Amino acid sequence: GENVEQHPSTLSVQEGDSAVIKCTYSDSASNYFPWYKQELGKRPQLIIDIRSNVGEKKDQRIAVTLNKTAKHFSLHITETQPEDSAVYFCAASIVRGSNYKLTFGKGTLLTVNP
Amino acid sequence: GAVVSQHPSRVICKSGTSVKIECRSLDFQATTMFWYRQFPKKSLMLMATSNEGSKATYEQGVEKDKFLINHASLTLSTLTVTSAHPEDSSFYICSARAYGQGGSEQYFGPGTRLTVT
Repeated sequence: GENVEQHPSTLSVQEGDSAVIKCTYSDSASNYFPWYKQELGKRPQLIIDIRSNVGEKKDQRIAVTLNKTAKHFSLHITETQPEDSAVYFCAASIVRGSNYKLTFGKGTLLTVNP
Repeated sequence: GAVVSQHPSRVICKSGTSVKIECRSLDFQATTMFWYRQFPKKSLMLMATSNEGSKATYEQGVEKDKFLINHASLTLSTLTVTSAHPEDSSFYICSARAYGQGGSEQYFGPGTRLTVT
């Protein structure tokens, strides 16, 4: 089955700096890659996703890049703010008809210091 | 985004009793719902995939007789933890797949904190 590795496990940055979280996946058939943000005790929230027919996607301060050849994808947060502090999870999935199962990375605890 | 509710948010039960957790998609129909378990400071572990009108598909190592899943309608799935033990204490989160444009988004409920004493 799919295996998703996520690095780093913890990341501390100063407010205003950029943060980058990287993930690799094992199954070359995976074609959907979402990123979730989870604050302590709360539900994971989808913040951005990318499909395998796209190499990069941006939404304001958040961007995701995908390298299908290398089987890795990354989350980039620019101009970080304290409210960006949370655990971020990457995930990978093969979406084919009704078949769909997300495999999550182990998460990255991002701390943005004021 | 789509809204998924979960009830109860917290439950404390005695060892040996059963607990039912409900997951509802409020503003969309979810043919597929997922149940996850999350330990403190850990990732989400998929327990089972629930399809409306059919039996749930359980992940390896998850006891289907202990974690009963019912997906009675397009907006409701339930997880029943039977004969709960302290080691079942955890954060249980459901999610539902919404068919958006290009469509693979998955939205999570707020989770249920189960404590078995």
